[in-house]
This record gives sequence, structure tokens and C-alpha cells, in this order.
Amino acid sequence: DTGVSQDPRHKITKRGQNVTFRCDPISEHNRLYWYRQTLGQGPEFLTYFQNEAQLEKSRLLSDRFSAERPKGSFSTLEIQRTEQGDSAMYLCASSSSSGESVYEQYFGPGTRLTVT
Amino acid sequence: AQSVAQPEDQVNVAEGNPLTVKCTYSVSGNPYLFWYVQYPNRGLQFLLKYITGDNLVKGSYGFEAEFNKSQTSFHLKKPSALVSDSALYFCAVKEVLGDSWGKFQFGAGTQVVVTP
Repeated sequence: DTGVSQDPRHKITKRGQNVTFRCDPISEHNRLYWYRQTLGQGPEFLTYFQNEAQLEKSRLLSDRFSAERPKGSFSTLEIQRTEQGDSAMYLCASSSSSGESVYEQYFGPGTRLTVT
Repeated sequence: AQSVAQPEDQVNVAEGNPLTVKCTYSVSGNPYLFWYVQYPNRGLQFLLKYITGDNLVKGSYGFEAEFNKSQTSFHLKKPSALVSDSALYFCAVKEVLGDSWGKFQFGAGTQVVVTP
């Protein structure tokens, strides 16, 4: 399977702890997106990379959140000093920047974070 | 600022009947519009997109959508619904304005229930 993968699939942590999630996009995709989804809502945009450059970051994203894509391949999303309000599904998506499938995002299965 | 609305939380339809899922949007520039579907315990899957050209776009699984600029709508349609179409459907918009190339705005989703 060469789809988008995310690790871990589930994470339970205590309030105040730091967590890190990993996303491996489809190999030929140079664009990568992070979203957060809570129950009953659509995905909420967090940040966007083209290759290794972080080109856009939501104003809703507090400074406790940081994302990297050091070599333009996999990406990590870190949440520091987690709060209960951070409990959500964190989704990663990737897309190509050219060709017929441009802007078509392919989503991973998500990482469900529970902060106790 | 861009926004997207899905006015119906749930749509119920009998198998074999036409299915319509509504979506309206608001953007300052030109919109790129998308539909995604989410099956239980699975990631979001791309259905179709409008970028430019014909207002009627066809996508996966027999779905189509019509871009109506005057009504700022992009309703998803299927002539004959199947029980297997029961899922959560999301409309998304990406505003083509300036240098903001990454941010996609998703609606809250519409649950489609197709009964035998």
C-alpha cells in the first residue's frame, strides 16, 4: 500500500506532556497538510508544506504546536504541554503540485489523541 | 476570508432515489471546490473537484457536482443512490487569492443515510 500513513494511530497522554506524530506522504507528492478534526466537525487546517518549506500556518495554531518536514518527505507534528482541548483526530494529507491530480488531497487514517 | 456551509446535518434517501448533498461557499477570489467522503473507520477520500471549465463535474462512484457561481453553490448529486453510499460527505473550498496556496476550508459534513 503506497498511501499516506500516520503513526501512531492512537495516543493517550496526560495533560502537560509533549506528544509527536509522524506522517509519511505518498512518495511522489511534494505538498503535505496537517488538519485537526473533532467529532461532528470537518477537518480544520493547521499547516501546509511544499517540499521542506512550511508555507502556511493557521492563526488558530498556538505556539505549543510545531511541525517540520526536514527533508521534504515525512513530517512530524509536535504538541507541547498538551491540554484537554487538544484531544482530537489529527489528519495528514498529501498532494501533487502538478498534473491532473493537482490539489487532490490524499488523507491518512489519522492519529487519535486523547489527553487525560 | 473563505467559508463553506453544508446546511444539512443528515440526508435520508431510499435506495434507487436521487441523492443531493448541498454546499454553499463564500470567497473573495475564485474558488476551487472539492467533495470528499469519509466511510466509518476510514480516511477521507477524494470524490471530485471543480477548478475551471465545465460547471458540471463528474467524479468517482457515479457522483457529480454542479458549480453555480451566481448562487455560490456546489451541490453533490447522484442519480440513483446505493446503500453503500451511506457515509459522511465533506465539501471543501480553496480560495485562489494572492499567495495563499495552501489553506483549504472544509464544511462540517453531511451524514448520508441510504435505506434499502
